[in-house]
This record gives sequence, structure tokens and C-alpha cells, in this order.
Amino acid sequence: EAQVTQNPRYLITVTGKKLTVTCSQNMNHEYMSWYRQDPGLGLRQIYYSMNVEVTDKGDVPEGYKVSRKEKRNFPLILESPSPNQTSLYFCASSPPTSDGEQFFGPGTRLTVL
Amino acid sequence: GDSVTQMEGPVTLSEEACLTINCTYTATGYPSLFWYVQYPGEGLQLLLKATKADDKGSNKGFEATYRKETTSFHLEKGSVQVSDSAVYFCALYSGGGADGLTFGKGTHLIIQP
Repeated sequence: EAQVTQNPRYLITVTGKKLTVTCSQNMNHEYMSWYRQDPGLGLRQIYYSMNVEVTDKGDVPEGYKVSRKEKRNFPLILESPSPNQTSLYFCASSPPTSDGEQFFGPGTRLTVL
Repeated sequence: GDSVTQMEGPVTLSEEACLTINCTYTATGYPSLFWYVQYPGEGLQLLLKATKADDKGSNKGFEATYRKETTSFHLEKGSVQVSDSAVYFCALYSGGGADGLTFGKGTHLIIQP
């Protein structure tokens, strides 16, 4: 089944404790992206990757890192999480010939205490 | 820059009522337009899309027409069901490969029996 997977689905952590949210897609998509969803703000793009070893900042990159060492994986790294990063995070992917449609993972709900 | 404006809600309707969720956009060029739906506790799913002016996207009884002259992509359904209760996001893609989707803030739809 074609899909985007994320782990963990739920995470509660404390300020300053480094964490990684994994994202993997099995559709051989080149483009991958991370969004955060906050009430009243919709979804905002954090980082994106056009291909392996090619990443760039989205609209709200502060406090986040990403890497793209393999085509299928695009982990999101919070090196020193803070409470304002409490949010619902979505990973997405799309093929290069896409009309813009993106395929979303199930989401990771992160709480930083 | 690109932007999407949609009614935020919550919108509460009775079962079998008619639904319209307004969406207008600002973008350069000719974007692709999307409606995504998020059911409670789940990720985002593509509901429908349109990639050029006057195109009509449709799925599950929902429709939306790409109106370039009014820069709108309103979501409509003739008779809603309780199972349609969800958050609906209007989004656009301007192209160029690097940009992700630009989302509206989402409309929470509640259908009462």
C-alpha cells in the first residue's frame, strides 16, 4: 500500500530533550516536506526537500533541523524542544511531475512540557 | 505572497442540509487548488482538486469549481451527513517545485443528526 508513515504518533517530552520524528514514504517520491498544524493557523511548512541531500527552509524553520540521506526518509529533528513547539506535525511527499498534490502521513502529536 | 482565506467556523448544520464553505485565494500565475479533509484523529486526505480555470473537482458528493475571475474555490455539497463532520482545508500550489502547499486556516464542520 502506497503510504507515508510517521513515528511516533504521540510524544510527550520535556524542554531541551532532543527528539527525532521519523517520516518514510514508499512511493519513490522526490519531494518531501514537514508541516505543523496549530489551531487558528492552519498548516505551515517547516522544511522541505527536493531530493536526496537537498533541503531548504519553509515558512517556520526556527528550532528544527532535517536531513535527507535516503530518498524514502525525511526525519524532523528538534535539538532543544521548547513548549512553543507543541503542535501536530505532518510529513508529506509528492512526485516531481505533480500538480502540487501532496500525500500526507497520519500526523505526530507532540507535547513539550 | 500566496494566501488562502476560508471561513473558520465552527460551522454547524443539520443532517441533509446544504453546505457551502467559501475559499478565496491570492496567488501569482495559475495555481492548482485543493480541498483536503481531516477527520477526527486522522491525517489529511485529499478530497478534490482542480488544476485550471473552470475545472470542477468532485468526490464523495462534494464539488468545487475553480473560478479565476473571482479567485475562488468554494466547497459545496447538496446534502451533508453526520460522517462529513471534519475539518476542511482549502489549499493552493503555485508551482515551481520548491514551494509547498499554502493552506487556509481550516473550517471545522459539525453535522448534527
